[in-house]
Amino acid sequence: DAKTTQPTSMDCAEGRAANLPCNHSTISGNEYVYWYRQIHSQGPQYIIHGLKNNETNEMASLIITEDRKSSTLILPHATLRDTAVYYCIVRVAEINNFNKFYFGSGTKLNVKP
Amino acid sequence: GAVVSQHPSWVICKSGTSVKIECRSLDFQATTMFWYRQFPKQSLMLMATSNEGSKATYEQGVEKDKFLINHASLTLSTLTVTSAHPEDSSFYICSASLLAVATDTQYFGPGTRLTVL
Repeated sequence: DAKTTQPTSMDCAEGRAANLPCNHSTISGNEYVYWYRQIHSQGPQYIIHGLKNNETNEMASLIITEDRKSSTLILPHATLRDTAVYYCIVRVAEINNFNKFYFGSGTKLNVKP
Repeated sequence: GAVVSQHPSWVICKSGTSVKIECRSLDFQATTMFWYRQFPKQSLMLMATSNEGSKATYEQGVEKDKFLINHASLTLSTLTVTSAHPEDSSFYICSASLLAVATDTQYFGPGTRLTVL
C-alpha cells in the first residue's frame, strides 16, 4: 500500500516555481523517496529521488524535512509542458521485496499561462 | 540511456482471446521488471514483479493464471492476458530496474492500451 499522501490538485502560473508537498510520516530509515510524473496516456517519467539530504538535478529540487516525514518537490520555473500528475513514492526497502513501488493518488499540477 | 519500450502500444481484441504484451529494456540489462495496470483517472496499481529466469511474484488479488508473466532474458519480459474480458480493458505499463537495490531507479515503458470488446 502507498505510504504517501499528496494534495489532489494544484495550480501554478507559468514561469513561477511549483512546490508540490508530500507526506510520508511512516517512512522507515532506509526507505527512499522518489518522484515521478505522468503526462496523460504515457508511462511515468523519473524526476528525482533522495534519502535524507536535499537533492537537485536538471529537472527539479527535492527538499526532505529533517525528520523525513515529509518532502517537497520544487520545479523552479514551471512551463505548460510540466502539466502532469506528480507521484511521490516511498520505495520499499524490505529484503527480498525487490524494492517495489506502490503508487498513491498523486497531485495533478495545472500550469496556467 | 535507460529506455524501456513496450509492444504493442495499443491493442483491441475480442472477448475470450489472449493478448501478449512485450516489455524490453533497450540499453541496459534489467534484473527486475514490474507490471502495472492503470484504469481511467486512477493511479498505477502494481500487478507483479518478475526476475529473469524465475517465477513472477504477484500482488494480492492478482490472478496468476489470468496474467501470465515470462521474464525470459535480462532485456525482455512478457505479460499475457489470457481469456480476456471487457473488465480487463486497461492501460498496462511495465518498468525495469538494473539492480534490485534501494538506490536503483525504475524506468517505465510508454504503456499498452488494451481494449477488449
